Amino acid sequence: KQEVTQIPAALSVPEGENLVLNCSFTDSAIYNLQWFRQDPGKGLTSLLLIQSSQREQTSGRLNASLDKSSGRSTLYIAASQPGDSATYLCAVIYRDDKIIFGKGTRLHILP
Amino acid sequence: ETGVTQTPRHLVMGMTNKKSLKCEQHLGHNAMYWYKQSAKKPLELMFVYSLEERVENNSVPSRFSPECPNSSHLFLHLHTLQPEDSALYLCASSRGESYEQYFGPGTRLTVT
Repeated sequence: KQEVTQIPAALSVPEGENLVLNCSFTDSAIYNLQWFRQDPGKGLTSLLLIQSSQREQTSGRLNASLDKSSGRSTLYIAASQPGDSATYLCAVIYRDDKIIFGKGTRLHILP
Repeated sequence: ETGVTQTPRHLVMGMTNKKSLKCEQHLGHNAMYWYKQSAKKPLELMFVYSLEERVENNSVPSRFSPECPNSSHLFLHLHTLQPEDSALYLCASSRGESYEQYFGPGTRLTVT
């Protein structure tokens, strides 16, 4: 069964800290992996997309890595800010067009 | 307007009502998606349309009926829903089925 797991489910850290969110998937035959953020009651905002041939992608203070062999992706957030508070979702897209989301990590940055 | 828009943003309907959700994308994409987000559950993919043809239906109950009249518009027709269908319904689009997806703001549906 194809599953996507995100750990931790919730995280609170002081402003300014660097942090890592984890995403693991059971089936490594992925096509690509996408990280999103979701603010309460709103839709998803795409953060980073990593193709299966890539190992990482960077956008500003965000860096996402992909290790297919171990079935893991991490989202690294540098110098966290209160505006980073949101739920972060990982989605794995497979070649048969199946898309599976994790349950997300609720991040709270303490001012 | 730019991006992906959804209307209405909020909808309350009775179990015997018929309503429709609308999604429109202004990105020139050719794939569109409907997702359901329930409390404390992972986001669930409901339908995928590519080039206006349905390519995936994840065993969604027939009380949900999608329609994609063209590559820019996607509808989700609702009828005889159940209270457990109350959720946030999100629409997304992408350049192709396996490319980066862009989401709309969602429709918060409450079934009474």
